[in-house]
Amino acid sequence: AQKVTQAQTEISVVEKEDVTLDCVYETRDTTYYLFWYKQPPSGELVFLIRRNSFDEQNEISGRYSWNFQKSTSSFNFTITASQVVDSAVYFCALSESNTGGFKTIFGAGTRLFVKA
Amino acid sequence: GAVVSQHPSWVICKSGTSVKIECRSLDFQATTMFWYRQFPKQSLMLMATSNEGSKATYEQGVEKDKFLINHASLTLSTLTVTSAHPEDSSFYICSARVAPRGLGNQPQHFGDGTRLSIL
Repeated sequence: AQKVTQAQTEISVVEKEDVTLDCVYETRDTTYYLFWYKQPPSGELVFLIRRNSFDEQNEISGRYSWNFQKSTSSFNFTITASQVVDSAVYFCALSESNTGGFKTIFGAGTRLFVKA
Repeated sequence: GAVVSQHPSWVICKSGTSVKIECRSLDFQATTMFWYRQFPKQSLMLMATSNEGSKATYEQGVEKDKFLINHASLTLSTLTVTSAHPEDSSFYICSARVAPRGLGNQPQHFGDGTRLSIL
């Protein structure tokens, strides 16, 4: 069965600090996909990144970077030089290829507060 | 591109009312749509997977007679909360995935959600 664990319920940082959001997943599939989504206070979900299980290259997009480690089943997300606008709930999600319809399971989310 | 429109964005109604929520993919065809429910400060919980032209697949513990899903076309899925009660009050979010043209799992595109409040 698939499972996503985001152990950090809430994180509070001061603007310009770097922050890492942890994500650990469980799956029996060899082919799967990992995602990060952002949910600002307004409620909509914003897609940030997708990574498939065969691509362990780390990715950087502006102030965002992702570290995918299959050996530890982790897909951590780092925000560099955080800004107040980064305050939101961040969800890590997993989708298995063998599951009909590629349904996606979400972690519990990490609420990030960035103070000015 | 890949816009998903969800309507209405906010509903307040009396207990016992049935409420219909629409999810439309505006610029792409979606063979599969998903319906999620999110209680305050909690994660998104998958309720059901909606496939065009066939019956929806419900997750364990979700009452199919309570939450009716219809996916009549490649661009529209509806969720009807029948005889809604206060405990059904929640944030309902739909998502749609572009019809796959080959291998790969395309990311889901989410609607902006519907806040349902049952008095």
